[in-house]
Amino acid sequence: EAQVTQNPRYLITVTGKKLTVTCSQNMNHEYMSWYRQDPGLGLRQIYYSMNVEVTDKGDVPEGYKVSRKEKRNFPLILESPSPNQTSLYFCASSLAPAWGETQYFGPGTRLLVL
Amino acid sequence: GENVEQHPSTLSVQEGDSAVIKCTYSDSASNYFPWYKQELGKGPQLIIDIRSNVGEKKDQRIAVTLNKTAKHFSLHITETQPEDSAVYFCAAIRAAGNKLTFGGGTRVLVKP
Repeated sequence: EAQVTQNPRYLITVTGKKLTVTCSQNMNHEYMSWYRQDPGLGLRQIYYSMNVEVTDKGDVPEGYKVSRKEKRNFPLILESPSPNQTSLYFCASSLAPAWGETQYFGPGTRLLVL
Repeated sequence: GENVEQHPSTLSVQEGDSAVIKCTYSDSASNYFPWYKQELGKGPQLIIDIRSNVGEKKDQRIAVTLNKTAKHFSLHITETQPEDSAVYFCAAIRAAGNKLTFGGGTRVLVKP
């Protein structure tokens, strides 16, 4: 089954404790991205990747890191989480850059930073 | 950069009635406008999209219209059903762009 998986689905952590949210897709997609969803603000892009070893900032990259060492994986790293990073996070992938290509979203990771 | 505004933020309709969600965008170079539906506890899923070379597109009970001059586009859901209850997001991107910009979302509640 074609899908985007994220782990963990729920995470409670404390300020400053490094964490990684994993994302994996099995559709051989080149393009992957991370979004955060906050009430009233919609989905805001954090980082995106055009292919292996090619990443770029989205609209809200501060406090986040990403890497793309393999085509299927695109982990999101919070080196020192803060309470303002409490949010619902989505990973997405598509065949090519977002124009005209359906983005497939993962199920989301709900993060609470205390 | 692109800015997409979406209205209303919440919409309550009676089953069988129509629902309309409107979005405006700022970048005149945007030419692809998808709509995503997010059900509770799930990630968004594409339900319909429109490109700038057409003014309207229909798929069964849903339709999207685009007014490039006014820089706005709308989602129309007819004969609403309880399973249409969800959060809907509009988005916009320019040709060959790398970044999809989303609106703030509309929570639709269809009352039986």
